[in-house]
Amino acid sequence: NAGVTQTPKFRVLKTGQSMTLLCAQDMNHEYMYWYRQDPGMGLRLIHYSVGEGTTAKGEVPDGYNVSRLKKQNFLLGLESAAPSQTSVYFCASMVHAPGSYEQYFGPGTRLTVT
Amino acid sequence: AQKITQTQPGMFVQEKEAVTLDCTYDTSDPSYGLFWYKQPSSGEMIFLIYQGSYDQQNATEGRYSLNFQKARKSANLVISASQLGDSAMYFCAMREGTDRGSTLGRLYFGRGTQLTVWP
Repeated sequence: NAGVTQTPKFRVLKTGQSMTLLCAQDMNHEYMYWYRQDPGMGLRLIHYSVGEGTTAKGEVPDGYNVSRLKKQNFLLGLESAAPSQTSVYFCASMVHAPGSYEQYFGPGTRLTVT
Repeated sequence: AQKITQTQPGMFVQEKEAVTLDCTYDTSDPSYGLFWYKQPSSGEMIFLIYQGSYDQQNATEGRYSLNFQKARKSANLVISASQLGDSAMYFCAMREGTDRGSTLGRLYFGRGTQLTVWP
């Protein structure tokens, strides 16, 4: 099992450019999450999904869109990147089962917007 | 209000000594879970330990234990016999509710504590 993978690992964008971050998991997890990590801030939830075809906003959703067309993939889109979106982005997944609690994190994507 | 508070931006401990990393939480939900993650300089998030709000015993995982004081709303991480490889950022996190709740597993993170272990 590869677990949770993220593509790309690093990216530099210019202000106004768009891009999509891909998260893939091979554990058949129902729940998937996108977080961002900024210095001194810990991780904050951007969007999440409880199943294929469903998404919901988290704590800091502005400027981002997401899609979950397939259960194993969760895409995070930036339509018009801004310097404030410079951050490290983490994807996570979790199984939906009684007693389950661990979220499995991907390795992160470091995004710089200039 | 912050749901998770970590008041120690940085901590130093000598190798082989024990260290406690503080975490307090804020929730009115009777059902919640508390987590600790380790983030080394390489950047990945490593799950360490979990404590459920209804668990009677403090959680332990090898050299890690969680000192859960429900009335004080604290969930401190204790690392015994520190090793040089323990140097990392440590995050406390909380999940509210159950699978039937509206929060659906989302985690609230603290700002982290940078632990440095010296020889």
